[in-house]
Amino acid sequence: DAGITQSPRHKVTETGTPVTLRCHQTENHRYMYWYRQDPGHGLRLIHYSYGVKDTDKGEVSDGYSVSRSKTEDFLLTLESATSSQTSVYFCAIRPSGRAYEQYFGPGTRLTVT
Amino acid sequence: AQSVAQPEDQVNVAEGNPLTVKCTYSVSGNPYLFWYVQYPNRGLQFLLKYITGDNLVKGSYGFEAEFNKSQTSFHLKKPSALVSDSALYFCAVRDDNNNDMRFGAGTRLTVKP
Repeated sequence: DAGITQSPRHKVTETGTPVTLRCHQTENHRYMYWYRQDPGHGLRLIHYSYGVKDTDKGEVSDGYSVSRSKTEDFLLTLESATSSQTSVYFCAIRPSGRAYEQYFGPGTRLTVT
Repeated sequence: AQSVAQPEDQVNVAEGNPLTVKCTYSVSGNPYLFWYVQYPNRGLQFLLKYITGDNLVKGSYGFEAEFNKSQTSFHLKKPSALVSDSALYFCAVRDDNNNDMRFGAGTRLTVKP
């Protein structure tokens, strides 16, 4: 999984609670991404980062925020989780020097009850 | 904005037969096209890409894909399918004006012995 770890791997939480997912990479890649995967939709980009403290919105950013205070960590926060945010969340990196590819972490399965 | 369509939710083939998984795309600039594969409970794995050059690109595990600009297609092919090829396949596109990648909804390939 390209040196990417995600934590937790599974989480069940209640509606209205805050949730933070962590993506950690060990190879100093500049670009990092958060996607959600839902049946019938494939993967959809939530937010991405192009450096420390540099982030931008993706296709489905409403209800999510991100932070990147260190190169190796990219955090995704659901400020107040809703059932529609039940999904599998994938982090990805773009390898340095290989601008056209992305490599994915193992995923986090989040269930909001 | 770029978009991808995978017209088949499911493709079934017999082991040893050729397989094709279809993908069409829409972009405003030059297309960069990708295929990824996902095995159960895993993240996506990169298979191959088209950036420029030869229309037929070869990738991992004996897969290849043909870029057809006039038909805006990038179909994934393999001459002889294996049972172990059974997985979920995603086509993705980005253009040279965007940082993000758009994924298709995925096609589930089942190869039967």
